[in-house]
Amino acid sequence: QKEVEQDPGPLSVPEGAIVSLNCTYSNSAFQYFMWYRQYSRKGPELLMYTYSSGNKEDGRFTAQVDKSSKYISLFIRDSQPSDSATYLCAMSARTGTASKLTFGTGTRLQVTL
Amino acid sequence: DAGITQSPRHKVTETGTPVTLRCHQTENHRYMYWYRQDPGHGLRLIHYSYGVKDTDKGEVSDGYSVSRSKTEDFLLTLESATSSQTSVYFCAISVVGLNTEAFFGQGTRLTVV
Repeated sequence: QKEVEQDPGPLSVPEGAIVSLNCTYSNSAFQYFMWYRQYSRKGPELLMYTYSSGNKEDGRFTAQVDKSSKYISLFIRDSQPSDSATYLCAMSARTGTASKLTFGTGTRLQVTL
Repeated sequence: DAGITQSPRHKVTETGTPVTLRCHQTENHRYMYWYRQDPGHGLRLIHYSYGVKDTDKGEVSDGYSVSRSKTEDFLLTLESATSSQTSVYFCAISVVGLNTEAFFGQGTRLTVV
């Protein structure tokens, strides 16, 4: 079983919809959580970064962490065709040589007109 | 784009040949990483560096070596390329600390035939 699980999709939604992307994890030591967006044939781009539990909002994006359920979410409001990409979650236990970033395999999102 | 340049962007090489990929950054960040990305596996860490001449192995380091003789350059060498090393390779840096949120380059698409 992988440490981080992410549904590969594709997830297809109409323009303007609210999108919910999720990851589950098994390592209770994870406390740093990130979301990346990756366009086709491009490098991952950091979207959101949160520490421990709670919500964080940035424009149309909201990241949510529920450590008790080992579950993180990324919500995209008023989705646009330009949001069509693969979304990767990543997490780590702590900084330093004893830790590493563990990535989900990504969810492909398609926002249709 | 965090000032990261990867070269080459695309390469086709033959089995058994050595290959070196270069990552150059312009902002003197201390922490640099090499990842590979494969379908179904997500991003996996090959090697990382926490300073000039300071490097360590990641989770998939077999068959790879790295060098960092200057802060701005991090080289990844495939000592004797195999078909299993066909992948997209990403260089990344982190600003805050080792294994915190990472910023990625555009990737190198390597095909071993």
